[in-house]
Amino acid sequence: AQSVTQLDSQVPVFEEAPVELRCNYSSSVSVYLFWYVQYPNQGLQLLLKYLSGSTLVKGINGFEAEFNKSQTSFHLRKPSVHISDTAEYFCAVSHYNTDKLIFGTGTRLQVFP
Amino acid sequence: DADVTQTPRNRITKTGKRIMLECSQTKGHDRMYWYRQDPGLGLRLIYYSFDVKDINKGEISDGYSVSRQAQAKFSLSLESAIPNQTALYFCATSDSSIMNTEAFFGQGTRLTVV
Repeated sequence: AQSVTQLDSQVPVFEEAPVELRCNYSSSVSVYLFWYVQYPNQGLQLLLKYLSGSTLVKGINGFEAEFNKSQTSFHLRKPSVHISDTAEYFCAVSHYNTDKLIFGTGTRLQVFP
Repeated sequence: DADVTQTPRNRITKTGKRIMLECSQTKGHDRMYWYRQDPGLGLRLIYYSFDVKDINKGEISDGYSVSRQAQAKFSLSLESAIPNQTALYFCATSDSSIMNTEAFFGQGTRLTVV
């Protein structure tokens, strides 16, 4: 069975600072990996996804993530955050044959001026 | 108009009452999902449906039932609501013709059971 661990429940950061949100997964088979963002009082929307190919994936709003198979990680990064990036971020995994998304517990990113 | 619409957006109900949450989509997707979100627990899958005749239990289906009335409609029922079912509920859809395409989420239904 797959599982996803997001080690940080909250990440406070000042505006224009870099940020990394950590995600580790466990699975006995190949998986696909996703990052979703949830802005206050809204549903989730896709930031980026890794299916295959290049391990560095670029997403919307300047975010990127790197798939590391040996460390079973898919950390999300942004070199310079904005106030508008304040949101909850979810890492998710799916097995190629099931299409069910398994979510982590989420990381709340709080950007301060 | 939103591609994935959930109704109601907010609901307060009493313990023991039956309640239905509805989801409709205009994306033409065949796959639909119900998740609940609880603080510190992320999103957990309740039920999912890969087409009108295919319904599957997720991680936490006890106390819930679903109905796929049409390709575009997928409703979630709580037969006898209890306080620990207080949560934010999300419906989502995806397209099986595109392997592992993104899931599209509704705005959520905030349910409070008192």
